[in-house]
Amino acid sequence: DTEVTQTPKHLVMGMTNKKSLKCEQHMGHRAMYWYKQKAKKPPELMFVYSYEKLSINESVPSRFSPECPNSSLLNLHLHALQPEDSALYLCASSQVLAGGMGANEQFFGPGTRLTVL
Amino acid sequence: QKEVEQNSGPLSVPEGAIASLNCTYSDRGSQSFFWYRQYSGKSPELIMFIYSNGDKEDGRFTAQLNKASQYVSLLIRDSQPSDSATYLCAVNMGYNFNKFYFGSGTKLNVKP
Repeated sequence: DTEVTQTPKHLVMGMTNKKSLKCEQHMGHRAMYWYKQKAKKPPELMFVYSYEKLSINESVPSRFSPECPNSSLLNLHLHALQPEDSALYLCASSQVLAGGMGANEQFFGPGTRLTVL
Repeated sequence: QKEVEQNSGPLSVPEGAIASLNCTYSDRGSQSFFWYRQYSGKSPELIMFIYSNGDKEDGRFTAQLNKASQYVSLLIRDSQPSDSATYLCAVNMGYNFNKFYFGSGTKLNVKP
């Protein structure tokens, strides 16, 4: 099973709303990722969790707040977003590769299409 | 300088031909390399990964890695119209094995 699930599929929110995106995987992966993707651009890394601890924050504005409640779940809390935050938000997971040879394949969920009005 | 570079295309090939997609990367310490296919409006789908020099084949797809020249390529044999998509090259840099750098993607059009 190489499935990563994300909810909701679509989300429309106003600039004053608070909402959350959810991601789940049952592949036993201990690294989970949030990416943002604008049209015709590659995925842009936002956050990485490794063993449920935040290991990378790519200088993301504080209106995005990640949370990793356990090894299978990843949330992204949204508050006071701007229209330019409208994008496809992708969750991904992989094994944690600490060193040596090998590859930690990263699998993506279907994404949440976010529109901020 | 971008860490991972791809020709944005579009690359147009006739049905049944071989499509060749290329990617170069800047960090010599890069450990593993991935090719994703992304259809418009969908999420990236992992096609292949490679981490040793040489070729790796999976069905109609062959990934080629040359670490000395810092490039990785994807060959698609017997291209089908359903292969029309954007192909993203991703590299896992050596100093942070849990950070993936993506190229900007190459759009492939396979004409019937």
